Amino acid sequence: DTEVTQTPKHLVMGMTNKKSLKCEQHMGHRAMYWYKQKAKKPPELMFVYSYEKLSINESVPSRFSPECPNSSLLNLHLHALQPEDSALYLCASGPDFSTDTQYFGPGTRLTVL
Amino acid sequence: AQSVTQLGSHVSVSEGALVLLRCNYSSSVPPYLFWYVQYPNQGLQLLLKYTTGATLVKGINGFEAEFKKSETSFHLTKPSAHMSDAAEYFCAGAGGTSYGKLTFGQGTILTVHP
Repeated sequence: DTEVTQTPKHLVMGMTNKKSLKCEQHMGHRAMYWYKQKAKKPPELMFVYSYEKLSINESVPSRFSPECPNSSLLNLHLHALQPEDSALYLCASGPDFSTDTQYFGPGTRLTVL
Repeated sequence: AQSVTQLGSHVSVSEGALVLLRCNYSSSVPPYLFWYVQYPNQGLQLLLKYTTGATLVKGINGFEAEFKKSETSFHLTKPSAHMSDAAEYFCAGAGGTSYGKLTFGQGTILTVHP
């Protein structure tokens, strides 16, 4: 299995809702990443987990809460989002937290009403 | 800090023509460099990467890129464009002060005309 999967593919939520995005990989990778991508822009790094521990938090607002329950799974919990948080959320994984390659999932298209 | 610059936000070619997408990097240490492709409403797919060794790197779908340290460049080429190559392409770098992070260029949208 050489892919990163993300669910759901699309998500529409209100500003008072709580929802979660899920990312899974079975490549034995020990680094996992969350990115946010706005239209016609490159991905922006949000969080990095290395060996299931949070290694980087790029000053992301607390309404985004990451979780890494095990080495294959990465969640992003969403609460009290704003319309400007609407974007494509991409998960990626890599062999380890270094300069090696990152493999991206298909993304979750999030719309906040 | 490392930076990656893609020259040309839009490139248009005819089917069968040469594709050349430009990428320059700045770094105080030898970088790791990548090209990714993104089709509409999809994730990023790795085309190729340069880490060490051979400076001419071959990737998927007939793409290749050459690492030129003297020019701090890593341009992406394909001899003959196909309609299915139409997408957005991102150059990215890692290493040095960007340890553990990918630094992306702004992206180049490739349009292929029949």
